[in-house]
Amino acid sequence: RKEVEQDPGPFNVPEGATVAFNCTYSNSASQSFFWYRQDCRKEPKLLMSVYSSGNEDGRFTAQLNRASQYISLLIRDSKLSDSATYLCVVISDPGNEKLTFGTGTRLTIIP
Amino acid sequence: GAGVSQSPSNKVTEKGKDVELRCDPISGHTALYWYRQSLGQGLEFLIYFQGNSAPDKSGLPSDRFSAERTGGSVSTLTIQRTQQEDSAVYLCASSSSRVGQYFGPGTRLTVT
Repeated sequence: RKEVEQDPGPFNVPEGATVAFNCTYSNSASQSFFWYRQDCRKEPKLLMSVYSSGNEDGRFTAQLNRASQYISLLIRDSKLSDSATYLCVVISDPGNEKLTFGTGTRLTIIP
Repeated sequence: GAGVSQSPSNKVTEKGKDVELRCDPISGHTALYWYRQSLGQGLEFLIYFQGNSAPDKSGLPSDRFSAERTGGSVSTLTIQRTQQEDSAVYLCASSSSRVGQYFGPGTRLTVT
């Protein structure tokens, strides 16, 4: 089983719709969680951290479910500019900062 | 402030040659990472430096790959006797504490 698993998609969603991604992780000792986005032929960029109580940044909401070992990302009122690959990232080892990346979920917003 | 920088941005080399890729992390970041990404694929972890600790080299695919970090700052990834399967984008990232990593723009390596 992979440490971090995501549905690769692609997700093709009409502009203005709400879309949600889930990501599961295998190590129950994992401490820190992030969502990154990666545009085509560009480097990944940090989108948001995921906190235990859940957190929101504008149209983006991230949630963590420790009992089921998954994190989610919700995008409301999707824009064309949201088209990208979304990467789920976990720090599995509490003793260091090594990040483990999922393979990403590809999202395309359709006009 | 300045972000993570990498050089060169593109490198074309012949099979069998050695290459060196450079990463300048964000000033003050104690952790530095190297990844590679083949076209259409996910990130593949290569190596991780944290402060003065011994690096985590568990992701290096073969002994042709090595990396060093001098003075806790600049890092160089060296690939010896390059093969065509080494062609990929090599990404460097740095971080401080657990606030996430910041990536450089990458070096696109093509082995002909």
